[in-house]
Amino acid sequence: GEDVEQSLFLSVREGDSSVINCTYTDSSSTYLYWYKQEPGAGLQLLTYIFSNMDMKQDQRLTVLLNKKDKHLSLRIADTQTGDSAIYFCAESMNYGGSQGNLIFGKGTKLSVKP
Amino acid sequence: DVKVTQSSRYLVKRTGEKVFLECVQDMDHENMFWYRQDPGLGLRLIYFSYDVKMKEKGDIPEGYSVSREKKERFSLILESASTNQTSMYLCASSRNPGPGLGYQETQYFGPGTRLLVL
Repeated sequence: GEDVEQSLFLSVREGDSSVINCTYTDSSSTYLYWYKQEPGAGLQLLTYIFSNMDMKQDQRLTVLLNKKDKHLSLRIADTQTGDSAIYFCAESMNYGGSQGNLIFGKGTKLSVKP
Repeated sequence: DVKVTQSSRYLVKRTGEKVFLECVQDMDHENMFWYRQDPGLGLRLIYFSYDVKMKEKGDIPEGYSVSREKKERFSLILESASTNQTSMYLCASSRNPGPGLGYQETQYFGPGTRLLVL
């Protein structure tokens, strides 16, 4: 079945760059997403990348997509304590009438030390 | 701004009680979803609906049912709550992507309901 894998924890120092990695299995995914969940809150869309792109940059966020290896990464430059959260990678499902469904990874908990 | 609201942030129920979790979205989205989130397990899809009165089972539907009588509202029902249903429940909605590329299925999430079953 479809699966999205990501490491569960990442710890960085304030001001450093954070890189959160994700691997996925569905090569037909149209979009890949990064969601952020702050403590006690729902998921908030952070950014997304269309599958025919290699890179997308949005202020401190850089998303890199390697379609050949089915590898997605999220880089946060100049990481701040406010970036401490759980980050979920997700891929879209595009088969079997399930358009609109996403498959989520288990989430990477980012801890930023001052 | 898309808004997805859930009826309660925190809920405490007893084993065997019938529990209703309500979710409302204001963006006229066709698709609505219920997930549960547990530590180390990430998000697991319970049920989803792509239209009024339509429902589809997700990965873990056992012990749950849903109702979608109006487009904006999607209810999750625990017929007889059990302690293993203690969890964070997240509702989401999205537009129907339709055929072809260039259409984004972004899911918008509510704030979550933390349910404790004693």
